[in-house]
Amino acid sequence: DIQMTQSPSAMSASVGDRVTITCQASQDISNNLAWFQQKPGKVPKRLIYGASTLQGGVPSRFSGSGSGTEFTLTISSLQPEDFATYHCLQHNSFPITFGQGTRLEIK
Amino acid sequence: EIQLLESGGGLVQQGGSLRLSCAVSGLTFANFAMSWVRQAPGKGLEWVATVTGSGSATYYADSVKGRFTISRDNSKNTLYLQMITLRAEDTAMYYCAKDRADSDFWGQGTLVTVSS
Repeated sequence: DIQMTQSPSAMSASVGDRVTITCQASQDISNNLAWFQQKPGKVPKRLIYGASTLQGGVPSRFSGSGSGTEFTLTISSLQPEDFATYHCLQHNSFPITFGQGTRLEIK
Repeated sequence: EIQLLESGGGLVQQGGSLRLSCAVSGLTFANFAMSWVRQAPGKGLEWVATVTGSGSATYYADSVKGRFTISRDNSKNTLYLQMITLRAEDTAMYYCAKDRADSDFWGQGTLVTVSS
């Protein structure tokens, strides 16, 4: 099974900060990785697919990079609406696996 | 517009059974794999199962294998999750999602609570 190690599990940041969240896969997953944002009580919303392709309608301050085993989600300048939990997902092979999630809080 | 609408959740006793449904509209349902994902209260997302477009192949998380069955009726554009021998740790919001859950199309979720 492919393990997805996401870090950090939680972090605090200020509006305007640049934030980076990482996911490490235990095996090569090519670019079969997606990033989701989830706000409390809401359905996860896809931000990035194919490791680096921005979902339509998602602000350009979000970006994804990486391939193989190392992946990064970057928010270039945090906005108040970005405080949420972020999840990575590998869909390269079964069982499909999510990272543990990163809770992004206001400092 | 693509829509996914889950139903069938509720309160069930430990050891009991429940069948979830997900009605899908706005796409050619049989062309796409479909998945179930769950989220226990205050926890992360957990993939549960996936079924191919034809229904000929299914895949399960180890935590549910042998207890849950994913299926679909392409004539009704509906996805199912039959759950038996439910445990307290199956308590979660259950979401249906297009493809391998990597898509942008998820339902609103249906809550399953297993009481002891």
